[in-house]
Amino acid sequence: KAGVTQTPRYLIKTRGQQVTLSCSPISGHRSVSWYQQTPGQGLQFLFEYFSETQRNKGNFPGRFSGRQFSNSRSEMNVSTLELGDSALYLCASSSRDKDTQYFGPGTRLTVL
Amino acid sequence: GQNIDQPTEMTATEGAIVQINCTYQTSGFNGLFWYQQHAGEAPTFLSYNVLDGLEEKGRFSSFLSRSKGYSYLLLKELQMKDSASYLCAVSVSGGYNKLIFGAGTRLAVHP
Repeated sequence: KAGVTQTPRYLIKTRGQQVTLSCSPISGHRSVSWYQQTPGQGLQFLFEYFSETQRNKGNFPGRFSGRQFSNSRSEMNVSTLELGDSALYLCASSSRDKDTQYFGPGTRLTVL
Repeated sequence: GQNIDQPTEMTATEGAIVQINCTYQTSGFNGLFWYQQHAGEAPTFLSYNVLDGLEEKGRFSSFLSRSKGYSYLLLKELQMKDSASYLCAVSVSGGYNKLIFGAGTRLAVHP
């Protein structure tokens, strides 16, 4: 089975721009979670989607949003980028609740 | 509140055994995960504990005590490739698939 894939792998943006990141889960997995990883804060939960519904949201501003499509693929969007948004954005998929989450390779976002 | 503590850094010698501790205080508990993350790569799943006791998987074992809010990851017969960060994560009640992560323990294995 193919693993979780994320595109693009690297992105460079400037402050004020917006960005969309994509995640394709493992085939058959319906839950997709997004995390932000920075050296200072570690891995922090952004939100989780299951069957196109956001079930959970972390403590991030409204500039961070996401969605999930009927094929379980998910996108996250960050609007009005700030320097502090520079991070590795990871998505993870799982087959059911409380099950193991498998991570994709991440998208490295740099905001200049 | 949610709090997960683990040591920041550890060093060990090739062939030795190392134990990485994790203590947690979370609002509810559905299980504890350990992930390994090499620099610049994604976290990879190592182990999962939901009941008290020891889970063994090859060179890696993980222990959980729910009453003490404590877990450890035991790595045996250390190899150079085990140099990585080890992340402790708790699945919290009502959080569906939300994981709360510790800051990670950076392990350096020396020859």
